[in-house]
This record gives sequence, structure tokens and C-alpha cells, in this order.
Amino acid sequence: DAGVIQSPRHEVTEMGQEVTLRCKPISGHNSLFWYRQTMMRGLELLIYFNNNVPIDDSGMPEDRFSAKMPNASFSTLKIQPSEPRDSAVYFCASRAAANYGYTFGSGTRLTVV
Amino acid sequence: AQSVAQPEDQVNVAEGNPLTVKCTYSVSGNPYLFWYVQYPNRGLQFLLKYITGDNLVKGSYGFEAEFNKSQTSFHLKKPSALVSDSALYFCAVRDDNYGQNFVFGPGTRLSVLP
Repeated sequence: DAGVIQSPRHEVTEMGQEVTLRCKPISGHNSLFWYRQTMMRGLELLIYFNNNVPIDDSGMPEDRFSAKMPNASFSTLKIQPSEPRDSAVYFCASRAAANYGYTFGSGTRLTVV
Repeated sequence: AQSVAQPEDQVNVAEGNPLTVKCTYSVSGNPYLFWYVQYPNRGLQFLLKYITGDNLVKGSYGFEAEFNKSQTSFHLKKPSALVSDSALYFCAVRDDNYGQNFVFGPGTRLSVLP
């Protein structure tokens, strides 16, 4: 099992550009989570999906952020337009069932200049 | 609502000494409790969990945690710390009254000194 796969590992972009982060969850896991980690705020849940359906997006900071899960094996987090304050490490995690732990990807380090 | 507190930002311990990383939680239903570890430039890795059963839970890398319902705590422990245990540790809770996602604590940075 390759685990949760995120791409790219690092992204540097200019303010105003569109950024797309990608995640491939573990096969068979039915929940997928997007988190953002910063020094100031720690680990923040942005959105999570159950069976490809968005369940709770209350953590999405503003309309510039959007997430999709078109099928069980792929999800994207898009920021358009990006701003310097979006700079953070973005993690994707998946889970097999409610009482199981999460498996995290290695994260995407986003820098917006 | 569910919440998690990790009262110490930083814990320093000498190699070979026992370590404790503290976690307290607040839930309205039954708690499901987890510990994760994050090494530099890596994602979070699962260490152990408490769902039900024995209050003492054993996990990866020699770590264990004790569920204490009366004190609403789930402290992480290890009898003898290694330098390689130095990392960021997160406690997380799921309240079975409030859906399926976890709430993570702010993290505690553990430094094991040689």
C-alpha cells in the first residue's frame, strides 16, 4: 500500500495565481480530509468528504478555496486567487471507518510570494 | 462540542528517562482518543488509540497512553526516551455525539536530549 499520496510536495507561486493541490487516498478508505498546518494556527480542518460527498466545509477560510472529490480515488483543493497568507503545509488524510485513525499524506508545502 | 488541550508547548527530557506528554479533552458523549507523531517535513503518523476496553493502551515505538475518565485525560508515556523520539506530538479526540471528524490539539514539541 503506497499510503496517501499528495502532489506536488512543494509549490511556489505568485500572488493571484491559481493553485491546485492533489490527493490520492488509500484504496478502500471512505473518508477524506484536508488540513492546513501553520505555526500560528496549528492544524486546521478545512473540509472532509464521506463517500466522495462533502460533509463539512466550515473550515474553508473563504470563497477562494474550493475542494472536489470526483471519485473515490482522487481529490483536489484549489485556491484561486492565491494570497501570501495562504502559505502553509496542506495535508490530506484518509480513513477507513469512523473508529479508525487517519492516515496522512506527506503534505504539500505551499509558498505564495 | 469536543475540544482537546495539550497544556505544554514543549517538553524536554533526558535520554533514558521516562517521558510524559499531557492531553486533556472535553466531550459530551463517549470519547475516541488518538495520539499522532509528526517528524520534521513529514505528515502525521498514527501512534495509538483508545476506543473502549482497557484504560492502558500500547502503541508504536514503545509508547503507551492511559485513559482516565474522571480526569478526562489521555497522557502519552514512554518508560525510556530516545533521542529519535524528538518530534511534534498531537492528541486528537472524536466525540461520538458530534459526527465523524477529529479535533486535534495544538501539539507538544518533545525534545529528548542526549
